[in-house]
Amino acid sequence: NAGVTQTPKFQVLKTGQSMTLQCAQDMNHEYMSWYRQDPGMGLRLIHYSVGAGITDQGEVPNGYNVSRSTTEDFPLRLLSAAPSQTSVYFCASRDRGQYEQYFGPGTRLTVT
Amino acid sequence: EDQVTQSPEALRLQEGESSSLNCSYTVSGLRGLFWYRQDPGKGPEFLFTLYSAGEEKEKERLKATLTKKESFLHITAPKPEDSATYLCAVQEYGNKLVFGAGTILRVKS
Repeated sequence: NAGVTQTPKFQVLKTGQSMTLQCAQDMNHEYMSWYRQDPGMGLRLIHYSVGAGITDQGEVPNGYNVSRSTTEDFPLRLLSAAPSQTSVYFCASRDRGQYEQYFGPGTRLTVT
Repeated sequence: EDQVTQSPEALRLQEGESSSLNCSYTVSGLRGLFWYRQDPGKGPEFLFTLYSAGEEKEKERLKATLTKKESFLHITAPKPEDSATYLCAVQEYGNKLVFGAGTILRVKS
């Protein structure tokens, strides 16, 4: 199993550009989440999904969209990038009934 | 407001020098407390889950304990390869997982 995979690993955007961060998992997990990690702060939840077709907002959802058309994939869309969205983004998944989350390797995003 | 506070922010140890990391929390209903290890440039790696006060879990040189208000990660005779950032997170009822800012551990040989 590849586990949780994320692409790209690095990305530089200009203010106002849009892009999609990809996340996929091959463990058949129902729950998937997106977090951002900033220096000196804990991981903060952006959006999450409890199954295909179901998504909900986390702690810091503004400026981001998600969709979940399949169990495997959970892309994160930045609608109009801002410098405040410069961060490292992690995707995670877990199985129903288990609370341990499995994280991807992250995407380092810089918005200039 | 739910909070997770980790201390110290950074810890430097000599190889073999045992110590403990602290995670204190305030949540309305604890479903579980988690410890993760994060190496530079990588995603967090799951270490332990603790569900109730008094519970303990061990893995190699690491031992996690839980009380009603805090958790400790004890590191016995650490080695340089134990150097990493250790993250604590608590799960309350629902899907919300709240992370602490982490403790950066450096073990020198």
